[in-house]
Amino acid sequence: EVQLEESGGGLVQPGGSLRLSCTASGFTFSSYEMNWLRQAPGKGLEYVSYIRENGEWEHHADSVKGRFSISRDNSKNTVDLQMNSLTVEDTAVYYCARKRLGTTYFDYWGPGTLVTVSS
Amino acid sequence: QSALTQPASVSGSPGQSITISCTGTDTDIGSAYNRVSWYQQHPGKAPKLIIYDVTNRPSGISNRFSGSKSGNTASLTISGLQAADEANYFCTSYTTTNFFYVFGTGTEVSV
Repeated sequence: EVQLEESGGGLVQPGGSLRLSCTASGFTFSSYEMNWLRQAPGKGLEYVSYIRENGEWEHHADSVKGRFSISRDNSKNTVDLQMNSLTVEDTAVYYCARKRLGTTYFDYWGPGTLVTVSS
Repeated sequence: QSALTQPASVSGSPGQSITISCTGTDTDIGSAYNRVSWYQQHPGKAPKLIIYDVTNRPSGISNRFSGSKSGNTASLTISGLQAADEANYFCTSYTTTNFFYVFGTGTEVSV
């Protein structure tokens, strides 16, 4: 059974940092692109970041470029999102989701982890 | 990134059919890529893929769910409505604006 589980969310002050992690199981992790998406309270989903299967290419939404970075460890089946210089606008539930190369849909998602940026 | 427009809520009685629209532009839903997908999300749960590439259902998804597209609008139809279908549904599309993804505003379905 495919499973994705996010961790690392919590309360952080504006300007602070947080590192989210997503642990995968039930599939060949190294065969999939991994993605982070988020949903702010009362808002729609927003694509945040993604990383290729081998970790050699990543892409970030303009709203987080220069502040967030993504990395993966295929030996541990994990993908991390390092978030720096956080603002209140980064408050959201963060989801990790997998996507196969060449497709444009996310076939499995985790349940999400809440990040709250507040003083 | 501009969101795809969906109705905030749609309701129906058990056994009925409902249709949820998702309106975008020439650079996403209206593009030739046909890369529209739909997700179902129950409160506090992970989103679940129910339609991909406009009309395709993943393995295990009921054939009561169907998708279509006309111009800049994609649609999700749920037939034989069931109580378990009560959830939030959102669409997404690949966009040629930045070769990324744009998401719908979400539709709450009540039965």
